[in-house]
Amino acid sequence: DSGVTQTPKHLITATGQRVTLRCSPRSGDLSVYWYQQSLDQGLQFLIQYYNGEERAKGNILERFSAQQFPDLHSELNLSSLELGDSALYFCASSPQGLAGYYEQYFGPGTRLTVT
Amino acid sequence: QKEVEQDPGPLSVPEGAIVSLNCTYSNSAFQYFMWYRQYSRKGPELLMYTYSSGNKEDGRFTAQVDKSSKYISLFIRDSQPSDSATYLCAMSANEFYFGTGTSLTVIP
Repeated sequence: DSGVTQTPKHLITATGQRVTLRCSPRSGDLSVYWYQQSLDQGLQFLIQYYNGEERAKGNILERFSAQQFPDLHSELNLSSLELGDSALYFCASSPQGLAGYYEQYFGPGTRLTVT
Repeated sequence: QKEVEQDPGPLSVPEGAIVSLNCTYSNSAFQYFMWYRQYSRKGPELLMYTYSSGNKEDGRFTAQVDKSSKYISLFIRDSQPSDSATYLCAMSANEFYFGTGTSLTVIP
């Protein structure tokens, strides 16, 4: 158990809908990262927050947004869902968010199915 | 061209074999190189990380980085059925980039 929790575990929704995925980082970790994992694309970095502020942005679509709250939990919002958004969404946390090495601890993921 | 290329496999070996997993990359700014193991339907977990070029050994696992060739490897000695998983390479400068993963099955 990494100490990172994600809810829900599974989510099934229809195209055009909006969903919110939630992540609680390990106690004391200030950084939260969101990743999307699909069969053909592997693990894709979406976005990072450090202590409430956006730190880095990867291949995140405009239909997706995220935020980190004062208690350091984070939410990833996915809107106008398309079939291609079906994937595993992972959250990871780390103690730091600056350049250099820092171990990321991954949560169990949320499996999103868009029908 | 992808930042990180990794052969997806699948790779199937008998128990006790030496396994070699590899990744190539294009960004010379990468300084940190990592290997993650991911069991089915679980989150990735860090196996090893290496800074810059060189080798690092941890038990049955050895990570190698050749920055001149932009090539990294993970060797697993005396492979066990419990090593059956998907192995992801990752590298970072500021952001993290992951390979697509290599699926490994170790047959008893």
